[in-house]
Amino acid sequence: GQQVMQIPQYQHVQEGEDFTTYCNSSTTLSNIQWYKQRPGGHPVFLIQLVKSGEVKKQKRLTFQFGEAKKNSSLHITATQTTDVGTYFCAGRTGTASKLTFGTGTRLQVTL
Amino acid sequence: NAGVMQNPRHLVRRRGQEARLRCSPMKGHSHVYWYRQLPEEGLKFMVYLQKENIIDESGMPKERFSAEFPKEGPSILRIQQVVRGDSAAYFCASSPTALLSNYGYTFGSGTRLTVV
Repeated sequence: GQQVMQIPQYQHVQEGEDFTTYCNSSTTLSNIQWYKQRPGGHPVFLIQLVKSGEVKKQKRLTFQFGEAKKNSSLHITATQTTDVGTYFCAGRTGTASKLTFGTGTRLQVTL
Repeated sequence: NAGVMQNPRHLVRRRGQEARLRCSPMKGHSHVYWYRQLPEEGLKFMVYLQKENIIDESGMPKERFSAEFPKEGPSILRIQQVVRGDSAAYFCASSPTALLSNYGYTFGSGTRLTVV
């Protein structure tokens, strides 16, 4: 079955440092979404990427979808303590409706 | 405009009892998805339903687990004869359409099930 892996599993940064999480799928994806889950909370949708090589920005967050549509990345510039949480990528294959979530990257930010 | 409503937020069951988890999707959303999250792990797909239909139950254990989304009322995830390994957070999500779109899932706050 489809597997979606993320690295690193955990990252601890100081406030102001940059952060990147990488997402790799075992199969080609039709689209990819990113979610953020705060500790004790529920996943919250951030963005969706559809096109090969697509890049989207949301303030300090930059999302990329690989040319082969099998990988993606999320980069946060100048992290803040409000960025703390676990970031999940989630992908769809073909016309399937269900999302397969990645393993997640837990981000800890300290002052 | 209420979001996805899940109840109860916390549920404690003894081994062998039944657990019923409820999910009301957002207004206008007709697609419901259930995911299970073990502590410190990712979200595992369980089942996808539309009103009165199970569309994809490929992630649902064959025994003890069932799900429904009746014409009226919330979607129900039912776990019979719970075991300690069923302890997890169960999240429900809804979306307005199943097809490719710019819509992400809207998740409920989850039900934290503890089996003692």
